Amino acid sequence: ILNVEQSPQSLHVQEGDSTNFTCSFPSSNFYALHWYRWETAKSPEALFVMTLNGDEKKKGRISATLNTKEGYSYLYIKGSQPEDSATYLCAPRILGSARQLTFGSGTQLTVLP
Amino acid sequence: DTEVTQTPKHLVMGMTNKKSLKCEQHMGHRAMYWYKQKAKKPPELMFVYSYEKLSINESVPSRFSPECPNSSLLNLHLHALQPEDSALYLCASSRGLPSYEQYFGPGTRLTVT
Repeated sequence: ILNVEQSPQSLHVQEGDSTNFTCSFPSSNFYALHWYRWETAKSPEALFVMTLNGDEKKKGRISATLNTKEGYSYLYIKGSQPEDSATYLCAPRILGSARQLTFGSGTQLTVLP
Repeated sequence: DTEVTQTPKHLVMGMTNKKSLKCEQHMGHRAMYWYKQKAKKPPELMFVYSYEKLSINESVPSRFSPECPNSSLLNLHLHALQPEDSALYLCASSRGLPSYEQYFGPGTRLTVT
């Protein structure tokens, strides 16, 4: 079983604040890392797929970085808006089990107006 | 069309009932997945189909029976479930295995009484 940790578990920020959270995973046999955003009562939405050490991806105000050698990824949200409120899940994939995603428990973000 | 649809949205069933969950995608994806998600926990993989053949069964009890009648459809047949099987059941699809991105449906909320 792959040990995936996300921190913090939950986070409340004010509108306009920038924030970041962490996904930690075993660094050996790394294949890819996925980030998803999951709003209540909606489908999980793919944000990023990252494969290379040092990768940086950006989508609007959201960006992510990847360090495969030490086994972590950061997700950043610049100027948080209430519509960013969601649970953010990371899911690493490893060689030998590359067909499947193993999700972390997620960071639940609430952006207060 | 990047949508994965699931029916029904909600299902309440008794322990002696037989019911089915349905998932559909029209993106030409050849891999489809069933996940189970309990409250406050991450989604857990149950089954993976690739080219309409069962590729992964994560030691799921036989009271859950998946079926992939064609490349667009995925069913999950339920029989003699237990109250602890109450959960959100998510379907996902991807272009193939191993996949770079999985597209999720909104899920079926199942309650077993």
